Amino acid sequence: NAGVTQTPKFRVLKTGQSMTLLCAQDMNHEYMYWYRQDPGMGLRLIHYSVGEGTTAKGEVPDGYNVSRLKKQNFLLGLESAAPSQTSVYFCASTTTGRNQPQHFGDGTRLSIL
Amino acid sequence: GEDVEQSLFLSVREGDSSVINCTYTDSSSTYLYWYKQEPGAGLQLLTYIFSNMDMKQDQRLTVLLNKKDKHLSLRIADTQTGDSAIYFCAETSNAGNNRKLIWGLGTSLAVNP
Repeated sequence: NAGVTQTPKFRVLKTGQSMTLLCAQDMNHEYMYWYRQDPGMGLRLIHYSVGEGTTAKGEVPDGYNVSRLKKQNFLLGLESAAPSQTSVYFCASTTTGRNQPQHFGDGTRLSIL
Repeated sequence: GEDVEQSLFLSVREGDSSVINCTYTDSSSTYLYWYKQEPGAGLQLLTYIFSNMDMKQDQRLTVLLNKKDKHLSLRIADTQTGDSAIYFCAETSNAGNNRKLIWGLGTSLAVNP
């Protein structure tokens, strides 16, 4: 039972390069989220999606784009990477129902040089 | 606005009890969650409490909820070195139909042998 899978697990980029982080979930969840985690700042929501074909901005969306073309996948793109985007990125998903906690992937550790 | 606060660090001796505290602002939150993050890993749901409950016990874990003071605590009995991790408190956000969670910054628990 895979749950939430993030690829890649690690990546080093140069300033100005672009890349896409992939999140895949096999739980048929409607809601998906991208967070970044930085020391002392907890989890900050970048973008989220409430269903296939929809996306919305979180609290720190600048410099990122997302797409949810398929229900099971949520992609996070960096068009022109900056050192300030060095972080650990987590994807999470959840579904409808009274008590549905978010399920997390193992994270992608991204360094921008 | 919605906010969740936690103390950042806690140090205990192996075998002692640990108490991690959290305060929140949204009195309409339905569920409150505790997540655990071990070094280099993603977040795992540890336990949760429904807002109409005062206490929930699950093996070594006890969650206490004081709705009047908007205070949540997690007690870990007989703390072990394997309990060393960051513990996040989160509440459900009722701002929009997006199932977002409002996160505390996390409490880093160090267990000393």
